[in-house]
Amino acid sequence: GAGVSQSPSNKVTEKGKDVELRCDPISGHTALYWYRQSLGQGLEFLIYFQGNSAPDKSGLPSDRFSAERTGGSVSTLTIQRTQQEDSAVYLCASSHQDRGYTFGSGTRLTVV
Amino acid sequence: TQLLEQSPQFLSIQEGENLTVYCNSSSVFSSLQWYRQEPGEGPVLLVTVVTGGEVKKLKRLTFQFGDARKDSSLHITAAQPGDTGLYLCAGGPWDDYKLSFGAGTTVTVRA
Repeated sequence: GAGVSQSPSNKVTEKGKDVELRCDPISGHTALYWYRQSLGQGLEFLIYFQGNSAPDKSGLPSDRFSAERTGGSVSTLTIQRTQQEDSAVYLCASSHQDRGYTFGSGTRLTVV
Repeated sequence: TQLLEQSPQFLSIQEGENLTVYCNSSSVFSSLQWYRQEPGEGPVLLVTVVTGGEVKKLKRLTFQFGDARKDSSLHITAAQPGDTGLYLCAGGPWDDYKLSFGAGTTVTVRA
């Protein structure tokens, strides 16, 4: 596609439920990144994919968080047993050959 | 602790005025990028600087990368309401692929 597409754009969930966030990167971009943005905190790195493999998962806050990428394209970030502190905007970005990131519009997650 | 410190955190100016946003770190970066983010959208890349001392100009925006590759600045001349947004700097370490972001500067340009 022409840009990075993320869905849903907004998600309200009850505490304890699982959620799945989807990212569809720019076609041909081998690198894919997930970041989390909280108010006043800047962007927090979560995980990096190169193709289908994730060489760096160091930013995932806990084992409730997981992500996968299939076919070198679409990625899904899953949060199990959501907590209120998981509320944030989850941003996905893709890049090609060390060029700048192209971000999606994000998924705003609210845990109530 | 942020790897990149941005200042000021907030900036509100009148249309036509100039402004400068700073991005500082104790770390050396191979490159530094500036992004602008509007409400409800993801950050959009404005520029990448890769050479110490480099100055890049994009219309009314001037970006500078420090000689020591630890700091950068963004200067906007004759700001317009359309320049309103969150400005983020991001550094690419020599030995890493992922960018580290500053907390951002919220710029408001009043008409």
